[in-house]
This record gives sequence, structure tokens and C-alpha cells, in this order.
Amino acid sequence: DVKVTQSSRYLVKRTGEKVFLECVQDMDHENMFWYRQDPGLGLRLIYFSYDVKMKEKGDIPEGYSVSREKKERFSLILESASTNQTSMYLCATNHGFLNSPLHFGNGTRLTVT
Amino acid sequence: DQQVKQNSPSLSVQEGRISILNCDYTNSMFDYFLWYKKYPAEGPTFLISISSIKDKNEDGRFTVFLNKSAKHLSLHIVPSQPGDSAVYFCAASVTGNTGKLIFGQGTTLQVKP
Repeated sequence: DVKVTQSSRYLVKRTGEKVFLECVQDMDHENMFWYRQDPGLGLRLIYFSYDVKMKEKGDIPEGYSVSREKKERFSLILESASTNQTSMYLCATNHGFLNSPLHFGNGTRLTVT
Repeated sequence: DQQVKQNSPSLSVQEGRISILNCDYTNSMFDYFLWYKKYPAEGPTFLISISSIKDKNEDGRFTVFLNKSAKHLSLHIVPSQPGDSAVYFCAASVTGNTGKLIFGQGTTLQVKP
């Protein structure tokens, strides 16, 4: 069974801080994704990666960056946290084949004060 | 601009009855559709999917119907069980853009015993 682990369940950070959200998967999946979930908006794609050292912007990349130095690990970075980045952040992975379903981690609830 | 819409934020049904969750989309390029279920404090889990070459896909108690001309899909759960109480997200993608999903806002289903 696929396990997608997000390092923190809850995080509270101050405005302007640099924030790292970590995600690790144990199933050798090629693809990794970062989504954020907000009430009334559903899930929105921030960044994704189809391979090590590769990254592509999703639908809402502004204010974020990512790093994928190893196949199993995908980090989301908030360079200077702002209050509008308070959200639930969800990491997901899948295989590279067509229409492979996403497997999600349990999420990190980030509050920026 | 919400390309995938779930216009009912919540739905309440009696145990044993049918639950029908609806989803509309605007982008005619979408050709693959999925439903995810999310319990509190957990990540979304994949439930069922349908390709645009079909108009129905069934998996046990869950059936998804696709009406391409109306750009509408629905998820039927028969019979509904209390354990089905969760938030249900509809998602859409273009084949080949694996993992790059556009999600609806979600519908909270409550199944009463």
C-alpha cells in the first residue's frame, strides 16, 4: 500500500518566515504534487514534478517554490510566508502511466500569523 | 474561474437510500474524471473514475455517470451507509496530464442511521 508521509500535521509560522513542508513517499512513484485545499475552492495545484530535479508550475505557484533532490522526497517552500498562505497543504504521488490515480498524504495545516 | 463546479456544498440522506452527488465542468478538453472521498484529518482517497469514451462506470455501490453534451457527471451511492459520510470531490483532467487535476469545491455527504 502506498504511503505518503507529510512531516508535520500542524504548523504555525509568522509572516515573513521561510517555511519548508516535506513529503516522502515509499512506493517509487515517478510523479509528485503539491496541492492546497481551501474552503469553497477545493484543491488547487501549486507545483509538481515528474522526475528528480524536475519541477513545473501548477495553477497557483506564486509565493512558492519546490525542491526534488531525491525521487522519494518533494519539498514545498514558502519563501516569505504571508497570511493568505494559511491553508491545508496536501502532497500527492502517482505512477507515470496514463491516468494513474493520485495517492495523498494526510496534509499539513499551516497557519501564518 | 471555476472549471469544475459542485454546486451543492452539502447533502444529507438516510441510511439505505441513494446518494447522488453532482458535478459540472466547463472545459470541453477534459476527458477523464475522478471522484475522491475525504474524511476529516485524512488526505483524499481515490474512489472511482470514468473516461469520456464511456457514459457509466460502476464499482460495487458506487456508479459514476457522465453526460458529455451537458458537461455533467454524477456519483451515485446505493445503498448509502453511515461510513460514507465524508467530503466528496469531483476532479477532471486532460488525458496525458496525469496528476494535474482540476477539483471541484467538494460536497459534504452525511448519511444518517
